[in-house]
Parts: sequence; structure tokens; C-alpha cells
Amino acid sequence: SQQGEEDPQALSIQEGENATMNCSYKTSINNLQWYRQNSGRGLVHLILIRSNEREKHSGRLRVTLDTSKKSSSLLITASRAADTASYFCYLYSGAGSYQLTFGKGTKLSVIP
Amino acid sequence: EAGVAQSPRYKIIEKRQSVAFWCNPISGHATLYWYQQILGQGPKLLIQFQNNGVVDDSQLPKDRFSAERLKGVDSTLKIQPAKLEDSAVYLCASSLNRGNEQYFGPGTRLTVT
Repeated sequence: SQQGEEDPQALSIQEGENATMNCSYKTSINNLQWYRQNSGRGLVHLILIRSNEREKHSGRLRVTLDTSKKSSSLLITASRAADTASYFCYLYSGAGSYQLTFGKGTKLSVIP
Repeated sequence: EAGVAQSPRYKIIEKRQSVAFWCNPISGHATLYWYQQILGQGPKLLIQFQNNGVVDDSQLPKDRFSAERLKGVDSTLKIQPAKLEDSAVYLCASSLNRGNEQYFGPGTRLTVT
């Protein structure tokens, strides 16, 4: 199956700190997406970055993509307790993609 | 806009029984996905539809699982007969087209005893 591998598996930080998590992959991609899952709101799409983009911002989120290293990072600035969740990356390799699925995710705990 | 609807939200059955889940995607979304998520893991794709055709069912255990998408809109996922290892949350998602952001339903939590 085609999936990204998130790192670290778990991350614990204090409220107000920045959180960085990474996604590495092996195939070529058309785009890479980040999702968040918590018990309250289920699985929610955060941001999509295309293969020809290097960086994208959305509010307190910053995503970078390095296609030469086949890796992406998600930075959450000024974290809040509400950011406590699991974060997943999802790869899309184009119309011929099969077995696209999610990795195990990074479990982020933000301590108030 | 209305989100992805799923029912039931919870289901408890005994092994060897059958169960069916229903999903109503966001209107106009061509792509529909069914995922299985076991506790502590990421969602695993079971089947993907593009309109009413199957794009990818390579990870669907076809001896017991089946799915259809009626008229390219609603979808049902069936398990018959269920096994203990089928206990999981079954998520339905839809997207405007393949590769676009996915919108997820609340999921159905299945417990097989």
C-alpha cells in the first residue's frame, strides 16, 4: 500500500510551544495532505500541498514539502490544548494510484 | 453544506452474524471511500468508488465484505459473516474528485462479540 510514515509516533508539549511532525514516503506524489483526528470532531482535513509547492500556510499551520527527500513536515505554532489529537499524512500519486491509505499517525498531546 | 452522514453510529453483533453500514456523501462528490480503523492505527482503505464504479477494492476482504454505491450517491458496506477481528470503526469519506481533500463522516463503531 502507498502510505506515508509519520514521525514521531508521539509528542508531548506545553501549551504555547510549537509542535513539528514529519511524514516520509517512498513513491512520487501528486499531492500530500494532512489530517487531524480527535475524539470530538473525528477526522478532519487540514491542508493539501501539491508536488510543485514547497510551503503552505493555513492559520497556525505551516506545511513544507521536499520532494527530493520525499518528506513533508507539519508545524503547529503556539499550540493549544485543543490541538491535542492524532495527525496523519495522506499521499496521492495520481489517477493510477492504488491502496492509498493513512499511516499510523503522530499522537500530539498539548499540556495546558 | 451538509456533511457526510453515516448510520448506525454504533453496532454490536455476535460473530458469524451479518451487518450493514450506510453512507450518504456530500452532494456532488464523485469519489467515495470506506475505511476501517482499528484502535491505535490509522484508517485503512477498504474500497474506493468513482461515481458508481469501483476504483480500488484491493484491500477489501471479498470473502466476507461487499460494498456498492447506488446511482453514484449513497453507499452500503456489508460484512457477512462477521469475525472478532472486524471490531473497528468504519469510516466513510467523500471528495469532489480523486486526490481532493476528503470529508469524513462520524463513523460506525462495530463491536463483534
